[in-house]
Amino acid sequence: AQKITQTQPGMFVQEKEAVTLDCTYDTSDPSYGLFWYKQPSSGEMIFLIYQGSYDQQNATEGRYSLNFQKARKSANLVISASQLGDSAMYFCAMREANTGNQFYFGTGTSLTVIP
Amino acid sequence: DGGITQSPKYLFRKEGQNVTLSCEQNLNHDAMYWYRQDPGQGLRLIYYSQIVNDFQKGDIAEGYSVSREKKESFPLTVTSAQKNPTAFYLCASSRHDRGRGNTQYFGPGTRLTVL
Repeated sequence: AQKITQTQPGMFVQEKEAVTLDCTYDTSDPSYGLFWYKQPSSGEMIFLIYQGSYDQQNATEGRYSLNFQKARKSANLVISASQLGDSAMYFCAMREANTGNQFYFGTGTSLTVIP
Repeated sequence: DGGITQSPKYLFRKEGQNVTLSCEQNLNHDAMYWYRQDPGQGLRLIYYSQIVNDFQKGDIAEGYSVSREKKESFPLTVTSAQKNPTAFYLCASSRHDRGRGNTQYFGPGTRLTVL
């Protein structure tokens, strides 16, 4: 089974609007971390936000927030007030405590911000 | 500035040749990783190293080799045994940080093309 599933290959959003990128995960480990990365066309993976499985509140980093629904095993990324520079690939990833430092990545969502 | 560097940015190789990709970090991170990314796909783990002089195979280690003689350096050799080496290669590093889930930080990547 896939550890990380991203079902939206491509998304479009109007500039200044908010957008939600979906991510579901599969694990039986009670201790895990969830991450979102941005990959612009240059190729570098840029860390955006982290959520621990025991964190009580949803993580936020500037315009990025992570909508963590533990029972549904979902970790959706919300980008508020979209900017043209947000156009990129976005990857969800998970690290399980019982597999050490290994990360599992989803297949990504391509986001295009429309002026 | 602290960060992760990879060189070269673009690399061309003839079939049957070994080639080595460089990865250096000055973040004082203990763990380092190599990933492969193919078009339209997520990242797949090749090798990782938690500490100097120690490394483990990831999901797709066949045809690759690594060394970790120094904390700062984790070179990846793509050998002639790798049947389909054309891909984008990303190096990452992390430090033990429970509060941030051992977040991995990435270099700019090397695009390898076999001619």
